Amino acid sequence: GQQLNQSPQSMFIQEGEDVSMNCTSSSIFNTWLWYKQDPGEGPVLLIALYKAGELTSNGRLTAQFGITRKDSFLNISASIPSDVGIYFCAGGPYSGAGSYQLTFGKGTKLSVIP
Amino acid sequence: GAVVSQHPSWVICKSGTSVKIECRSLDFQATTMFWYRQFPKQSLMLMATSNEGSKATYEQGVEKDKFLINHASLTLSTLTVTSAHPEDSSFYICSATQDRSYGYTFGSGTRLTVV
Repeated sequence: GQQLNQSPQSMFIQEGEDVSMNCTSSSIFNTWLWYKQDPGEGPVLLIALYKAGELTSNGRLTAQFGITRKDSFLNISASIPSDVGIYFCAGGPYSGAGSYQLTFGKGTKLSVIP
Repeated sequence: GAVVSQHPSWVICKSGTSVKIECRSLDFQATTMFWYRQFPKQSLMLMATSNEGSKATYEQGVEKDKFLINHASLTLSTLTVTSAHPEDSSFYICSATQDRSYGYTFGSGTRLTVV
């Protein structure tokens, strides 16, 4: 099946630093989504990307849908302690009226040192 | 915005008993709901896809007789773990979406512990 390679697996950064993480795939996706998950909670959508080359921002977060449709990155600028959590990328195929299943990356655990 | 409520948040049950988890879309009609399982420090693994009024589609390796899914209405899907065993202990998460929309909204998850 389809697989997403998400990196890095974990990272420790100082408060105020910028963060970058990415996902790559051997398959083409028509949608890329980035989620954040806090411990014991469900994932919360951060950014959704629908077009190849699309660059979208949400506050301090910026994500891009790769031109090849096989990759995406998420940047967090000026990190703060509440950015701590696990970030997941997810890719979705477009299949018309059929399934909308997502494929998830393995996650990036972010730790912010005050 | 779209809200998905999942209940209960956590449950402890004895081995051999059954547990039902509910997933409700509060302010939209969810024609498709997904059930995921997540082990500690791992990603979400899709268990099944359920469409309102039809049988769920299970992923390979997921026992449909053990994990019963019912999507009887446009706002409610249930996952019943039958004859639970300790290895079924996990974090179960649902998500819901409307047709032709990529507005996937996740529930807050259910922590199941089987003792």
